[in-house]
Amino acid sequence: QVQLVESGGAVVQPGRSLRLSCAASGFSFSSYGMHWVRQAPGKGLEWVAFISYDGRSKYYADSVKGRFTISRDNSKNTLDLQMSSLRAEDTAVYYCAEDGRPGYGMDVWGQGTTVTVSS
Amino acid sequence: QSALTQPASVSGSPGQSITISCTGTSSDVGGYKYVSWYQQHPGKAPKLMIYEVSNRPSGVSNRFSGSKSGNTASLTISGLQAEDEADYYCSSYTNSNTLVFGGGTKVTVL
Repeated sequence: QVQLVESGGAVVQPGRSLRLSCAASGFSFSSYGMHWVRQAPGKGLEWVAFISYDGRSKYYADSVKGRFTISRDNSKNTLDLQMSSLRAEDTAVYYCAEDGRPGYGMDVWGQGTTVTVSS
Repeated sequence: QSALTQPASVSGSPGQSITISCTGTSSDVGGYKYVSWYQQHPGKAPKLMIYEVSNRPSGVSNRFSGSKSGNTASLTISGLQAEDEADYYCSSYTNSNTLVFGGGTKVTVL
């Protein structure tokens, strides 16, 4: 079945880096754009980044631009999010999601991985 | 990238209809037909309920419907059921090729 599985979440100190991964299965990964979306504890959803199906186009939320980098490996069906200069406000559950519908509609989501930024 | 505006909470009795609004600007909601709605139960990942303003993915109940007028989109849940109690988020594509979410609406079934 169609599945996205995130990994890499951890407790990390402010200013440090962390890399999240998302493993895709059950669909043609290389045909779809992908997103990262996060949710701080007790808060709403916040869009983080998008990468096109071929990796050529990448867009970021202002809150992470210059600090986070989205990438993908279509040969391995994996999506990554490299996070640097982490701040306390980056603490959240991070979801990867498939861009399966026009206009950034996300119809497949992973279960999320938790990032905690704390000293 | 200001968040779209949603009411914090909406409630209704079983069988009733409720509507959740989602207000943006001409740079997002008003400028495109790309509004989506998500349902999220506690501790779960979001689920797509509506895309392109009014389209339902297969498997989503026809009790859920979407519409848009100007800079405001709406999600209507008819025949409210206990299982509909959840948080609902709207989202919109923007003129910067980004996505913006609403702040979320907690739906309570009385």
